[in-house]
Amino acid sequence: KAGVTQTPRYLIKTRGQQVTLSCSPISGHRSVSWYQQTPGQGLQFLFEYFSETQRNKGNFPGRFSGRQFSNSRSEMNVSTLELGDSALYLCASSFANEQFFGPGTRLTVL
Amino acid sequence: AQSVTQPDIHITVSEGASLELRCNYSYGATPYLFWYVQSPGQGLQLLLKYFSGDTLVQGIKGFEAEFKRSQSSFNLRKPSVHWSDAAEYFCAVGGGNTGKLIFGQGTTLQVKP
Repeated sequence: KAGVTQTPRYLIKTRGQQVTLSCSPISGHRSVSWYQQTPGQGLQFLFEYFSETQRNKGNFPGRFSGRQFSNSRSEMNVSTLELGDSALYLCASSFANEQFFGPGTRLTVL
Repeated sequence: AQSVTQPDIHITVSEGASLELRCNYSYGATPYLFWYVQSPGQGLQLLLKYFSGDTLVQGIKGFEAEFKRSQSSFNLRKPSVHWSDAAEYFCAVGGGNTGKLIFGQGTTLQVKP
């Protein structure tokens, strides 16, 4: 089976812009979770989607949003980008309580 | 509060030496415990997991971990470290049927030749 794929792998944006990141889970996996990784805060949970519904949400502002499609692919959106949003965004798909991570999208906000 | 603590931010060991990375957790329900490894610029790879049963679990690449409920610990061990083990290691805790993992701050492992 193919692993979790994330696109794009690298992204450069400027403050105030918005960005959309995409995640394709492993075939058959219905749960997709998103994490933000920064040197200062480490790995922090953003949200989880299961069967197109948000099932869990972390402690992030409303500028961070996501959705899941009927084929389990997921997108996350960050609006009004801030310098502090620069991070590696990791997506994981889950099966039987085990999470499989993608390579991440490196977002740089200038 | 739910949390994971990895007391050692950075560890250096000689190649061939044994390794133990510490992890302590706080979790209200029955914990599902994980160790992941991350190489620079890469995603996370699962080394091993503990859900229930035998408290000593074996993982990939020769790693093992022991769950000690009384100490709220899940330490990672390897009897003989290889240069390719140099990476960052993360301990994580979650619950059943939830896609939310709580991660420790990570331990960077450096391997001396």
